[in-house]
Amino acid sequence: DQQVKQNSPSLSVQEGRISILNCDYTNSMFDYFLWYKKYPAEGPTFLISISSIKDKNEDGRFTVFLNKSAKHLSLHIVPSQPGDSAVYFCAATGGYQKVTFGIGTKLQVIP
Amino acid sequence: DGGITQSPKYLFRKEGQNVTLSCEQNLNHDAMYWYRQDPGQGLRLIYYSQIVNDFQKGDIAEGYSVSREKKESFPLTVTSAQKNPTAFYLCASSIQAGGTWFFGPGTRLTVL
Repeated sequence: DQQVKQNSPSLSVQEGRISILNCDYTNSMFDYFLWYKKYPAEGPTFLISISSIKDKNEDGRFTVFLNKSAKHLSLHIVPSQPGDSAVYFCAATGGYQKVTFGIGTKLQVIP
Repeated sequence: DGGITQSPKYLFRKEGQNVTLSCEQNLNHDAMYWYRQDPGQGLRLIYYSQIVNDFQKGDIAEGYSVSREKKESFPLTVTSAQKNPTAFYLCASSIQAGGTWFFGPGTRLTVL
């Protein structure tokens, strides 16, 4: 039972355009959400997070939007750069320490 | 510098042998975790520990064992009972109150 779903396994975007990565969750107990970026053969690195009391959090080129009623969050990268090419994991937690990850979306930014 | 280290980066093991993967953190985090990554599977939780001398099974604990004798260290042993041990293993830590999880660089284990 996948509680965190990333339904797009891959995404290709032209350099300079917006990348939108989507994530859906089913557990209504989740109240904190994170996005991680992962290059091959490396550990994931933290990108940005959002608490359920907010609907938007912005950090430079990265913005995360949360729609609690739809149990949906998205990561926007503007403008996209070739160095952004990686696998992006959505993660969620309900304060009980365990974090649940999605299976990831592979982003390719084409120069 | 603060962070999480995992060693070795690449590890080869003969079938039937136990092997221990190292994870050390100097972030003063109480909670530590072991994840496994397989293609198309994302990150799956093997074991986690919220405090020294305590640990809990994750979603795929069978064939693995851990110990948490020190706050800084959370080694994972892949036993011969683990049927598909070849994978990329990631260690992570977080502050007790939750928040951001920080990951180590990972260990690629290959069983020959």
